[in-house]
Amino acid sequence: EAQVTQNPRYLITVTGKKLTVTCSQNMNHEYMSWYRQDPGLGLRQIYYSMNVEVTDKGDVPEGYKVSRKEKRNFPLILESPSPNQTSLYFCASRYRLASIGANEQFFGPGTRLTVL
Amino acid sequence: GNSVTQMEGPVTLSEEAFLTINCTYTATGYPSLFWYVQYPGEGLQLLLKATKADDKGSNKGFEATYRKETTSFHLEKGSVQVSDSAVYFCALSQGSGGGADGLTFGKGTHLIIQP
Repeated sequence: EAQVTQNPRYLITVTGKKLTVTCSQNMNHEYMSWYRQDPGLGLRQIYYSMNVEVTDKGDVPEGYKVSRKEKRNFPLILESPSPNQTSLYFCASRYRLASIGANEQFFGPGTRLTVL
Repeated sequence: GNSVTQMEGPVTLSEEAFLTINCTYTATGYPSLFWYVQYPGEGLQLLLKATKADDKGSNKGFEATYRKETTSFHLEKGSVQVSDSAVYFCALSQGSGGGADGLTFGKGTHLIIQP
């Protein structure tokens, strides 16, 4: 089954304790992305990756890191989490194609993070 | 920059009522437009999409038409069911395949259907 998986689904942590949220896709997609969802703000892009070893900042990258060492995995790293990073996080992936319309993104189930 | 504006709700309707959720956008060029749905406790699923002006996307009884003249992509359904209760997101992408080409989302509309 084609899917994007995230782990953990729920996480409660304390300020300053480094954490990693994993994301994996089995569709051989080149493009992967992280979003955060906050009430009244919708979804905002944190980081994206066009391919292995190619990453770039989205709209709200502060306080986050990513890496893309393998095509299928795109972990999100919070080196020193703070309470304002409490949010619902989604990983997404798609093919990198030049044709319009071939840009549907597939989303993971989400990770609900609480930073105390 | 790109932006998407949609009614936030919550929108509460009775079963079998007609649904319209408005969505307007600001973008350069010719973006692709999407409606995503998020059921409680789940991730986002693509509901429908349209990639050029006057295209109509449709799925599960929902429809939306890409109106470039009014920069709109309103979601409609003729007869809603309780199972349609969810949060609906309108989104756009420039569709070039290059650069960031991430999705720009509206804030989401919470739809509640009562029996």
